[in-house]
Amino acid sequence: NAGVTQTPKFRVLKTGQSMTLLCAQDMNHEYMYWYRQDPGMGLRLIHYSVGEGTTAKGEVPDGYNVSRLKKQNFLLGLESAAPSQTSVYFCASSYSAGFSAKNIQYFGAGTRLSVL
Amino acid sequence: SQQGEEDPQALSIQEGENATMNCSYKTSINNLQWYRQNSGRGLVHLILIRSNEREKHSGRLRVTLDTSKKSSSLLITASRAADTASYFCATDFYRYALNFGKGTSLLVTP
Repeated sequence: NAGVTQTPKFRVLKTGQSMTLLCAQDMNHEYMYWYRQDPGMGLRLIHYSVGEGTTAKGEVPDGYNVSRLKKQNFLLGLESAAPSQTSVYFCASSYSAGFSAKNIQYFGAGTRLSVL
Repeated sequence: SQQGEEDPQALSIQEGENATMNCSYKTSINNLQWYRQNSGRGLVHLILIRSNEREKHSGRLRVTLDTSKKSSSLLITASRAADTASYFCATDFYRYALNFGKGTSLLVTP
């Protein structure tokens, strides 16, 4: 029972390089999320998806793109990495969300990204 | 910006003592959740309290919610070294997302 799996776990990029972070969940959840966590800043929402084929911007979407081609996968792309994108990235999924829903989120173990 | 703000930022106690951390938020909510994050790991859901509830228990956890003051507290009784972690409150944000606070870092020493 894997839950939410993120790959890779660690990555070092040079400024201007691109990469894709993969998130996979095996719980058949409709809702998926990408957060970044920086020291002293807590978690900030980058993008989220309310179902297969849908994406929406969160609090800090600039410099990132996402895709949800399959229900179980949510990809986060950095087209041209910048040092400001050095962070720990977390993916999460939930079964229900929206008005009066519980939206209990299940998190992956994170991807530690350094941009030099 | 963060909806929820935890207080204190850091807390150090000895095993067996109780740990209390607080969360304040700005706008009306449907429910409030608490999560735990062990060092180097992802967040784990602990407990959810709905806006029409005032108190909820789960094992050694006790959560209170005061919607008039827009605040919640998490009490961990009889703390153990294994409770060492960061604790976050989360409230509704946008329609389908959560807003996490900056967290309280709890250290429980033997």
